[in-house]
Amino acid sequence: DVKVTQSSRYLVKRTGEKVFLECVQDMDHENMFWYRQDPGLGLRLIYFSYDVKMKEKGDIPEGYSVSREKKERFSLILESASTNQTSMYLCASRHRLAGMDEQFFGPGTRLTVL
Amino acid sequence: GDSVTQMEGPVTLSEEAFLTINCTYTATGYPSLFWYVQYPGEGLQLLLKATKADDKGSNKGFEATYRKETTSFHLEKGSVQVSDSAVYFCALTLDFNDYKLSFGAGTTVTVRA
Repeated sequence: DVKVTQSSRYLVKRTGEKVFLECVQDMDHENMFWYRQDPGLGLRLIYFSYDVKMKEKGDIPEGYSVSREKKERFSLILESASTNQTSMYLCASRHRLAGMDEQFFGPGTRLTVL
Repeated sequence: GDSVTQMEGPVTLSEEAFLTINCTYTATGYPSLFWYVQYPGEGLQLLLKATKADDKGSNKGFEATYRKETTSFHLEKGSVQVSDSAVYFCALTLDFNDYKLSFGAGTTVTVRA
């Protein structure tokens, strides 16, 4: 069974803290994605990675960075968390040759920044 | 830019009722279209897709037809169950090697027994 796992389901952090969200997939997928999900806005792409050590900004990269040192792991970093980064964060992966086929999603991390 | 607009929720239905969720898109090329579903407490999963005009995607009793003339991809199910309660997202992607999905805002559907 294909699987994308995220390090935490719920996370509470304070303003200014550095926050790491981890995502691991066991499908040997080249492409990985980080989205945030907010009510009424759907999913918005933060960053994506074509392959190991490769990354590209999505639609809302400000305040975030990413790391992809190993193929199976894609980390989202909030350098200095702010209250407007309170959201649900979803990781996804896809095979490079999937073309129009599906992305596989993790269960999400609900982050609250106080 | 490319975008997806779907009907606002929430939608509340009784079991065995007919469900329609409208989705229209704006795209500069010829997108592929998707419906994703998010059950409570879970991540998104692909429900169905269509890659060209007049294609019909279907899965779990849900159907959607790619209508290029009306730029629409409405989701339908003839008889819903309580287990269909979820958030439904319409999405598009452009070009064979495009990595990006553009999502609609999502429609929350609640089915009552």
